[in-house]
Amino acid sequence: EIVLTQSPGTLSLSPGERATLSCRASQSVSSSYLAWYQQKPGQAPRLLIYGASSRATGIPDRFSGSGSETDFTLTISRLEPEDFAVYYCQQYGSSPPLTFGGGTKVEIK
Amino acid sequence: QVQLVQSGAEVKKPGASVKVSCKASGYTFASYAIHWVRQAPGQSLEWMGWIIPGNGDTKYSQKFQGRVTITRDTSASTAYMDLSSLRSEDTAVYFCARSYTTSSEFDYWGQGSLVTVSS
Repeated sequence: EIVLTQSPGTLSLSPGERATLSCRASQSVSSSYLAWYQQKPGQAPRLLIYGASSRATGIPDRFSGSGSETDFTLTISRLEPEDFAVYYCQQYGSSPPLTFGGGTKVEIK
Repeated sequence: QVQLVQSGAEVKKPGASVKVSCKASGYTFASYAIHWVRQAPGQSLEWMGWIIPGNGDTKYSQKFQGRVTITRDTSASTAYMDLSSLRSEDTAVYFCARSYTTSSEFDYWGQGSLVTVSS
């Protein structure tokens, strides 16, 4: 099973600042089958990034993903008020189980 | 537009079973896998298993093997997740989600169904 470790656990930033979220895998994620999701309280997760770096339909270009093998990053270039939420990475390329990271909460400083 | 609409909240006693439904619309149900993911209060997301509606193939997380059964009714464009021998640790929100293949990202999610296990 691939274990995904996200850091930091909480990121305290102000609107307009840049957010950098990390996701580290316990073994190589095949073909960059790595996704990022945003979740707000009481809501289902929303797909932001797939294939490590491709933005999902309708996602603003302030969101970007990068990385490969075991190290991946989600960057939000300039935080908007609606971006304060919890972010999860997920690997979906290896044999089951598909796994999620523990999440990073981006909160208003 | 694509929608996955889940059944409502349930309260169950320990040892009972629960069945959650996920009705799909806005796309060809048979052409996309359906996954079930749960989220305990304040916790991360946990994948439980998937079904390919077109042929009924399923795959489950080892953690839930023997307790979870995922089925579908193609005539109703609905997938179901049945979890048995419930315990308090199964209290969670259960989500269904769609992916193009079983190795694809989850592009649409249901709204979630809260299952509470309490004596």
